[in-house]
Amino acid sequence: NAGVMQNPRHLVRRRGQEARLRCSPVKGHSHVYWYRQLPEEGLKFMVYLQKENIIDESGMPKERFSAEFPKEGPSILRIQQVVRGDSAAYFCASSPSEGLVQETQYFGPGTRLLVL
Amino acid sequence: AQSVTQPDIHITVSEGASLELRCNYSYGATPYLFWYVQSPGQGLQLLLKYFSGDTLVQGIKGFEAEFKRSQSSFNLRKPSVHWSDAAEYFCAVSSGGGADGLTFGKGTHLIIQP
Repeated sequence: NAGVMQNPRHLVRRRGQEARLRCSPVKGHSHVYWYRQLPEEGLKFMVYLQKENIIDESGMPKERFSAEFPKEGPSILRIQQVVRGDSAAYFCASSPSEGLVQETQYFGPGTRLLVL
Repeated sequence: AQSVTQPDIHITVSEGASLELRCNYSYGATPYLFWYVQSPGQGLQLLLKYFSGDTLVQGIKGFEAEFKRSQSSFNLRKPSVHWSDAAEYFCAVSSGGGADGLTFGKGTHLIIQP
């Protein structure tokens, strides 16, 4: 069984460019979460998505950041016009679709974004 | 709002010695609590979780944690550490048991001395 897959593992962008981070959840999981980890910090929740729906985006910056989880294909976290402060590790997690309370989030290996 | 505090940024333990990593949480109702481990350059692996029932929870790799409501704590323990336990450890809390975003502490970096 493949776990959560993220690509690319490392991404370098210049200020002003766009960054696109992909996440393929565990097979059969339809809940996806994105987190950001700044250096020397814990993970901060950004957004929670189900297929074709954003459930909770309370942790997303109001500008330049967007996320989607289409019916087909991976979840995408998109950062437009990146700035140096966006440099961080971005982790995706997925959980099963049964809607039970006692669900575990399974994390991917992360994408390390470096903005020059 | 819920929050998690891990008071120790770094802990150094000799191989074979016992370990306790502290975690305190702030949440109004019964929390759902997790411990994750992160090796350098890797993602997070779930060690154990508490949702309800027995307050002493057993996890993988010989770890256990005890939920103490009176102290708002969920400390992680291991009776004898191995060099491979060197990693970053994160405590996390959720109000929805995992069906919503987790709130993480800042982590404790565990160093194992030979």
